[in-house]
Amino acid sequence: DSGVTQTPKHLITATGQRVTLRCSPRSGDLSVYWYQQSLDQGLQFLIQYYNGEERAKGNILERFSAQQFPDLHSELNLSSLELGDSALYFCASSPQVTGELFFGEGSRLTVL
Amino acid sequence: AQSVSQHNHHVILSEAASLELGCNYSYGGTVNLFWYVQYPGQHLQLLLKYFSGDPLVKGIKGFEAEFIKSKFSFNLRKPSVQWSDTAEYFCAVNADGQNFVFGPGTRLSVLP
Repeated sequence: DSGVTQTPKHLITATGQRVTLRCSPRSGDLSVYWYQQSLDQGLQFLIQYYNGEERAKGNILERFSAQQFPDLHSELNLSSLELGDSALYFCASSPQVTGELFFGEGSRLTVL
Repeated sequence: AQSVSQHNHHVILSEAASLELGCNYSYGGTVNLFWYVQYPGQHLQLLLKYFSGDPLVKGIKGFEAEFIKSKFSFNLRKPSVQWSDTAEYFCAVNADGQNFVFGPGTRLSVLP
């Protein structure tokens, strides 16, 4: 158990819908990262927050957004879902910007 | 921008064989290097990390990696693999406070 909690573990939805994935980092970790893992794209960095502020942005689509709240939990919002958005979405936390990452168990999103 | 390459997409070995997985990165400054493992159906877990000091680092489960700065490499090794090492292995780089960059992963299949 890494101490990073993600919900839901599995989510099935239809194209065009919107979902929210939630991540609670390890106690005391200020950095939260979101990654998308799919078979054809590998592990893709989406976005990083540090203590509530967006710090880095990767290959995140405009249909996707995220935020980190004052209690340090983070949410990833995916809207206007397409079939290609089906993937595992991992959250990771880190005690500092360049420390090691601790990954959650992921949220598996299936878009039908 | 940083990038990470892993030499092999899929490696198949018999139990007790020796393992070496290649990892190269492109970045000229100070780097932190990591190897993560993802067992089937699970999240990524840290195998080992290099921040500074002895370039030969030992991790969990008998894995080790050697940082060779002149070659921009951080290859993962294990002298004798077991069936339970079947997993996907990811090399990752974090440099100068920039974001983590993961390699595409190497799938290791160990035959009993």
